[in-house]
Formats: sequence, structure tokens, C-alpha cells
Amino acid sequence: QKEVEQDPGPLSVPEGAIVSLNCTYSNSAFQYFMWYRQYSRKGPELLMYTYSSGNKEDGRFTAQVDKSSKYISLFIRDSQPSDSATYLCAMSVVGNQFYFGTGTSLTVIP
Amino acid sequence: NAGVTQTPKFQVLKTGQSMTLQCAQDMNHNSMYWYRQDPGMGLRLIYYSASEGTTDKGEVPNGYNVSRLNKREFSLRLESAAPSQTSVYFCASIMDGRAETQYFGPGTRLLVL
Repeated sequence: QKEVEQDPGPLSVPEGAIVSLNCTYSNSAFQYFMWYRQYSRKGPELLMYTYSSGNKEDGRFTAQVDKSSKYISLFIRDSQPSDSATYLCAMSVVGNQFYFGTGTSLTVIP
Repeated sequence: NAGVTQTPKFQVLKTGQSMTLQCAQDMNHNSMYWYRQDPGMGLRLIYYSASEGTTDKGEVPNGYNVSRLNKREFSLRLESAAPSQTSVYFCASIMDGRAETQYFGPGTRLLVL
């Protein structure tokens, strides 16, 4: 069983839609939860970071962590064509080794 | 402030050839990483270095060697390239204990024929 599971998509939504991206994990020791955005032929860039459980909001983006269900989510409100990218979830126990999901490809259609 | 830089951007090798991928960071980070990214597999850790002079194996170290030359530079060497090593390689660095500070380089696309 992989440490982190992520639906690869692809996901295609119209502009303005609410997008929900999800990952599940098996290691209950994970404490650090990240979402990265990766544009085509670029390196990943950190989008959201959460330590332990709870929600975090940054503009149109909301990250949720449910440790009891071993489930994390990223919500994108009012999606824009510029949000078209691959989204990777990542997790860590102590903040030095990271386990990544396979990534979800998102296309926002104008 | 360039962040994390990688060279080369693209390389074609024949099976059995060797090459070194270079990575440098200017953020004074202690920890550096090498990942490979393959379709449907996500990012997988090859090697990492928690500090100058130390290196540790990650999930997929076979066929690779690394050198932490100094605090800034971390190189990845393929001694005898195989087609299975065709991939996109990313270097990353992080400030100790600050998971939110992981920065990635632009990647090196490697094709082994």
C-alpha cells in the first residue's frame, strides 16, 4: 500500500467552479501536510501548508486536514484558467522527509 | 536570489554512459534532496542530505550516487545510465524543521536511449 494516495484525474471544470482535490494516507504519524502546484514543465511550488489538523485559508484556496480519517483536501473557489496545473499533495512526519501523491491534473476552461 | 538552480535542463544519454546532474541553492538551507518524477508515480525521493557531509538513501537510490560538495551544492551521478532512469529529476532544499520552506529547482529532463 502506498503511503499517499491521490486521484490522478484528469479533472476539467468551467471557470468559476469550486474544485475539490483530495488525498488519503496510511501513516498516522504524518503531521505536516502540504499542497504543491506544478505548471507544465516547471518545478513544484508550495501552495498551502498545514501542521496537524484543521483548516487553513489563503485567498481562494482552503486546505483541510482530517487526521481521524487520514484525509486531506484542497478547495479552490472561483477557479481561474491560471489555476490549470497539476496539484500534488505531500506529507511528512517530522518535516524533513516527504511523501508525495501522484498528482491531480486540473484544467479550468474559460 | 536565484533559489534552486539545476543544470543541465535537458540531456540525452546512451545506455551505459555516465553523467552528473548539478544542483545549487542560495537560501542557506541545510537540507537538500533529489527526486525523480515519472508519469503515474509522483515524486519519489532518490537521496537526501541533512547537512554538509551527510547523505542518506531515499525510496529509489539504486543506480545513483550523490555528493554534498558544500552547503550550497548537491550533485546526483548516474554511473551507468539505463533506460529505466529516463525521468525528470528535481532538486529541492529546505530550512531545517520548516516543512513549508521546501523549494524546488526547475528540473532536468533526462532521456536514456
